[in-house]
Amino acid sequence: GAGVSQTPSNKVTEKGKYVELRCDPISGHTALYWYRQSLGQGPEFLIYFQGTGAADDSGLPNDRFFAVRPEGSVSTLKIQRTERGDSAVYLCASSSRGGDTEAFFGQGTRLTVV
Amino acid sequence: AQSVTQPDIHITVSEGASLELRCNYSYGATPYLFWYVQSPGQGLQLLLKYFSGDTLVQGIKGFEAEFKRSQSSFNLRKPSVHWSDAAEYFCAVGARGTASKLTFGTGTRLQVTL
Repeated sequence: GAGVSQTPSNKVTEKGKYVELRCDPISGHTALYWYRQSLGQGPEFLIYFQGTGAADDSGLPNDRFFAVRPEGSVSTLKIQRTERGDSAVYLCASSSRGGDTEAFFGQGTRLTVV
Repeated sequence: AQSVTQPDIHITVSEGASLELRCNYSYGATPYLFWYVQSPGQGLQLLLKYFSGDTLVQGIKGFEAEFKRSQSSFNLRKPSVHWSDAAEYFCAVGARGTASKLTFGTGTRLQVTL
């Protein structure tokens, strides 16, 4: 596609529920990143994929958060037993091959846990 | 660990006036430095980046930034601000080899008065 696409754009869920957030990277981009942006803050790194594998998941806050990229393209960020503190905008970015190549960001998914 | 400080949370300038947004970073070696802009409901857009070479970097929309190693700074400037420049601006640092794994500052919100 023309850019990084994230769906849904908005998601409201109840505390304790499970959610999935989807990211479609730019076609051909092998590197994919997830960031989380809380209100009034800058984005914070969560996880980096190179191809199908998670090359760096050091930013995932706890084991309720998990992400996959089974075919090296679309990625899904999964959050179990959501908490109100998980409310944030979740941003996805992709770059052509990772390393020092420029990352392009999607518009994000705004997650609200009530 | 790398970090970024944007000391100004909110700045207001008149249209046509000059602009300087401050950014200080902490990193053990020469970093990769970035400025992104985020408009309401929009994804992050890269304004400019510094990897190496000339320390004065030109970007899109008439923005420039200067890398000053001695001050650990990477301030963003524009000689004449337009009303459409009103947005949130983020400075970010990346490590060599993993430039797309970024550490962001908390952002500066720019308001432009007519």
